[in-house]
Amino acid sequence: NAGVTQTPKFQVLKTGQSMTLQCAQDMNHNSMYWYRQDPGMGLRLIYYSASEGTTDKGEVPNGYNVSRLNKREFSLRLESAAPSQTSVYFCASTTDPRNVREQYFGPGTRLTVT
Amino acid sequence: GQQLNQSPQSMFIQEGEDVSMNCTSSSIFNTWLWYKQEPGEGPVLLIALYKAGELTSNGRLTAQFGITRKDSFLNISASIPSDVGIYFCAGKNYAGGTSYGKLTFGQGTILTVHP
Repeated sequence: NAGVTQTPKFQVLKTGQSMTLQCAQDMNHNSMYWYRQDPGMGLRLIYYSASEGTTDKGEVPNGYNVSRLNKREFSLRLESAAPSQTSVYFCASTTDPRNVREQYFGPGTRLTVT
Repeated sequence: GQQLNQSPQSMFIQEGEDVSMNCTSSSIFNTWLWYKQEPGEGPVLLIALYKAGELTSNGRLTAQFGITRKDSFLNISASIPSDVGIYFCAGKNYAGGTSYGKLTFGQGTILTVHP
């Protein structure tokens, strides 16, 4: 059981480039989330998917798109990267959004935009 | 949006000392959570609190859900070097609709323990 996996672990982009961050979970969880973590800001929700086939905006969605490809996978896309998107990105999942005890986080993707 | 204020921002303590940190909110939460994040890893849940006034322990960790439902604290007793990390509080309410299952995180407390 790998839990929540994220790829890549590190990425450097130039301004204007695009890329997709991948997230997968093998726990048969229904809900998946994307957060960004910036120094002194805690974790802020970008997008989430309450169940397969649905996605909703979180607190800071601008500049991002998401795809819930299937129950296991939830990807985050930056269409035109900006330096303000330099951050650490975490994916999380839970089987029941009402039971936050089961919200598991991946190891993170460290993104730098120059 | 909702705001969570976590303090202190950082702590430098000696091994064996007790640690206390807290979170306050401008909004009421129905659930308070405490996470720990170690370098290069994602946050890991330490303690979950579901009722106002609830006091819960997990080993040397104790957390309480404030009576007003707008605050929570975490205590660590007899700290050890492996307690080093960033501690986050997070709150959740059941406003329903699009807020279903979403957490609001504090800014984090960076804990350093000197042997």
